[in-house]
Amino acid sequence: DTEVTQTPKHLVMGMTNKKSLKCEQHMGHRAMYWYKQKAKKPPELMFVYSYEKLSINESVPSRFSPECPNSSLLNLHLHALQPEDSALYLCASSQVSDGGYEQYFGPGTRLTVT
Amino acid sequence: AQKVTQAQTEISVVEKEDVTLDCVYETRDTTYYLFWYKQPPSGELVFLIRRNSFDEQNEISGRYSWNFQKSTSSFNFTITASQVVDSAVYFCALSEARNTPLVFGKGTRLSVIA
Repeated sequence: DTEVTQTPKHLVMGMTNKKSLKCEQHMGHRAMYWYKQKAKKPPELMFVYSYEKLSINESVPSRFSPECPNSSLLNLHLHALQPEDSALYLCASSQVSDGGYEQYFGPGTRLTVT
Repeated sequence: AQKVTQAQTEISVVEKEDVTLDCVYETRDTTYYLFWYKQPPSGELVFLIRRNSFDEQNEISGRYSWNFQKSTSSFNFTITASQVVDSAVYFCALSEARNTPLVFGKGTRLSVIA
C-alpha cells in the first residue's frame, strides 16, 4: 500500500483564522514532507521531517507551523495567512530522507485564503 | 547546484500517437537519482520511475519507456500509443545522494486528444 492521505481536501479560511492540515501514511516511512504548489508551477519544498525531527525548513514564514506527532502523522498549522498563500499543499513520505528514495504524495489540500 | 530542465512546456498529441517528454539535468555529484512523476488534474503526484546514476539501462513498463543517457545528461520519457488518460503534467526530478531536497523541473503539460 503506497497511500498517503490528506485532510481536508479543500479549505477556505480567512486571514485571521487558525486551521490545520493533516497527513497520514502507514508505509513505515521515516521521512515526511510538506510542499506548496501554485498553479502551473512545480511543487516547492517547505519542510522535511526525518525520524520525527524537523531536518529542513526552507525559510518558510512562521505563519506555517509544522508538527510531527509520530512517525505516521504530519500536521501543518496555519495562522494569519495571506491571500498569496492560497495554493495546493501536498504531503509526501519516503523510506528515509536520503536522496535515493522515491517520495509518495498525497492528493493534497486546496487552500483558499480570503 | 542541481538543476532540471524540461524545455517542453506543453505538448498536444492525438490519441495513439507516440510522444517523448524531454528532461535534461545538471549535477556535480557522481551519485544521483532521477525520477518522473505524473500529476493528473486531480492534483496528486504519482511516482512513475526512479533511476540511479550508476544504472544506465533503459526501462520499459507497458506503454511507458525511459531513456537515460549520462553522456547528454538526459532522462527522456516516451509514451507509446498515447491515451486520453495520459493527459497530465509530467515532472522530471533529481536528487543527490546526500540529504538534499528533490529538485523538480517546471513540468510538461501533455494533452492527448481523442
